[in-house]
Amino acid sequence: GESVGLHLPTLSVQEGDNSIINCAYSNSASDYFIWYKQESGKGPQFIIDIRSNMDKRQGQRVTVLLNKTVKHLSLQIAATQPGDSAVYFCAEIGNAGKSTFGDGTTLTVKP
Amino acid sequence: KAGVTQTPRYLIKTRGQQVTLSCSPISGHRSVSWYQQTPGQGLQFLFEYFSETQRNKGNFPGRFSGRQFSNSRSEMNVSTLELGDSALYLCASSLGSDTPLHFGNGTRLTVT
Repeated sequence: GESVGLHLPTLSVQEGDNSIINCAYSNSASDYFIWYKQESGKGPQFIIDIRSNMDKRQGQRVTVLLNKTVKHLSLQIAATQPGDSAVYFCAEIGNAGKSTFGDGTTLTVKP
Repeated sequence: KAGVTQTPRYLIKTRGQQVTLSCSPISGHRSVSWYQQTPGQGLQFLFEYFSETQRNKGNFPGRFSGRQFSNSRSEMNVSTLELGDSALYLCASSLGSDTPLHFGNGTRLTVT
């Protein structure tokens, strides 16, 4: 069945450093992936997405990389700030729009 | 544009009772999905509605049900509540398949 997993449940970085959050997926037929950020007491928020015809997509301070060969997705956050502290989820959109979420990585930014 | 609104924000129920949660999607969004979030299981898909029809269903027992109204607002119902149903229930709307989900802030259900 489908599953989307994250490599590390927690990640701690120093303010100003770059952060890399990883995700492995199992469904090789998946063609759309999304990263979400969930802050305490709130629902997940869309950060960035990428389709399978791309290897890399950049946003403001965030970059998503997709490696279809090894079924791996990563989120890079440049110059990490305290406001980036949150739980990050990768999600795979499969058949008929159903999203399957990974377990989440908790990012803590130390001042 | 207003975001996804979920009511109530918090609920405390006892075992055996039933509960109804409400979700108002972003204006213009016709797809509404429901997720259960727990510390141990993460985000688990419950079901998705599009134009009042259930289009997808997750692996939850029949005690969990939902519906969508003609104005795209949605409700989910859980009957015969169990302690294990304690969770954050998240509603998300989207324009349709293959587009990002927009989540509400959830309803925190506690079953005692």
